[in-house]
Amino acid sequence: DTGVSQDPRHKITKRGQNVTFRCDPISEHNRLYWYRQTLGQGPEFLTYFQNEAQLEKSRLLSDRFSAERPKGSFSTLEIQRTEQGDSAMYLCASSLSSPAGGEGYTFGSGTRLTVV
Amino acid sequence: AQSVTQLGSHVSVSEGALVLLRCNYSSSVPPYLFWYVQYPNQGLQLLLKYTSAATLVKGINGFEAEFKKSETSFHLTKPSAHMSDAAEYFCAVSGPGGAQKLVFGQGTRLTINP
Repeated sequence: DTGVSQDPRHKITKRGQNVTFRCDPISEHNRLYWYRQTLGQGPEFLTYFQNEAQLEKSRLLSDRFSAERPKGSFSTLEIQRTEQGDSAMYLCASSLSSPAGGEGYTFGSGTRLTVV
Repeated sequence: AQSVTQLGSHVSVSEGALVLLRCNYSSSVPPYLFWYVQYPNQGLQLLLKYTSAATLVKGINGFEAEFKKSETSFHLTKPSAHMSDAAEYFCAVSGPGGAQKLVFGQGTRLTINP
């Protein structure tokens, strides 16, 4: 297993377009998380899945954002009608347990979104 | 609600010198505390974590941190800096037990001078 994979690594899109990012977690991890990191800031929690169930969503996740994890494997994060304020690094992480247990989170390298 | 404040967005030390990165937390429940490191164009990697066992926690790459409840602090130290330690460091807090969400500080960029 090569860790958590995110695709694409970089995405440039025009304002108003829709974008979709993919995250492939470590295969045996049942928990998957999305975070957003803007320049000069720490990551901010967006949403969390346990298997295919989306169990928590941040208020940061507006109606334009939707995340899915069909079959409890890979996950997608879609942003509709992108705005310049959506420009950020989108990080995915997976784990076997809560962050405090075991090995904690394993993060992917992120998808950097630039909205022009 | 939980929050983390990292004092100093940028710290610069000489190679071989002590590294001290400061983190103060706020939490209404007993916290679990973490330090992560992020190298350029990479994801975050866990350095160490405090989960209510020993207050002095040792992590990877020679780093350690001490939980001080009276000071609500969890500062990260390394006795002797190495050039490879140059990176962004993030302190984070979560609630106890099965809490899933991490709340991160804004990060401290560590620069090592030769």
